Amino acid sequence: NAGVTQTPKFQVLKTGQSMTLQCAQDMNHEYMSWYRQDPGMGLRLIHYSVGAGITDQGEVPNGYNVSRSTTEDFPLRLLSAAPSQTSVYFCASSLGTSGRSTDTQYFGPGTRLTVL
Amino acid sequence: KQEVTQIPAALSVPEGENLVLNCSFTDSAIYNLQWFRQDPGKGLTSLLLIQSSQREQTSGRLNASLDKSSGRSTLYIAASQPGDSATYLCAVLRKTSYDKVIFGPGTSLSVIP
Repeated sequence: NAGVTQTPKFQVLKTGQSMTLQCAQDMNHEYMSWYRQDPGMGLRLIHYSVGAGITDQGEVPNGYNVSRSTTEDFPLRLLSAAPSQTSVYFCASSLGTSGRSTDTQYFGPGTRLTVL
Repeated sequence: KQEVTQIPAALSVPEGENLVLNCSFTDSAIYNLQWFRQDPGKGLTSLLLIQSSQREQTSGRLNASLDKSSGRSTLYIAASQPGDSATYLCAVLRKTSYDKVIFGPGTSLSVIP
């Protein structure tokens, strides 16, 4: 299994540009999520999905959109990039969120985004 | 609101020493608590997951304990090695909002050869 994969690894954008960060997992996990990691702020949840067709907001959703058309893919879209969105973005997946399953989270390697 | 803290923020120990990392959370209504390791410039790797009904989990030189009543978890690393140098994060899956995992800020560990 490839686990959780993310593309691209690095990206530089200009203010106002849009782009999509890709995330895919091959473990047939229902739960997928996006985090951003900033110095001094830790990991913060942006959006999450509990299955295909179902998404919800996390702590810091403004400026980001997600969709989940398949179990495997969970792309994160930046609508109009701002310097405040400079961060490292991580995608994660887990088997489920019931608390009755393992719920071990598996993380991708991250995308380092700079917005000028 | 669930808050997760970790003490100390940074720790430097000589190789071979046993050490304890601490994690505290304010809301004891959790499904589970997970410990992660993050190497510089890398993603997070899960080390141990403790369900709310469990008191501890062990994997190799690692042992994690959970005391829900006091809102605390500890990660014990035996016979530390330079390869253990990394940032260690704890995260809780809380019952009041069971779809969301809350992370602590992490403890940066440096093991000196």
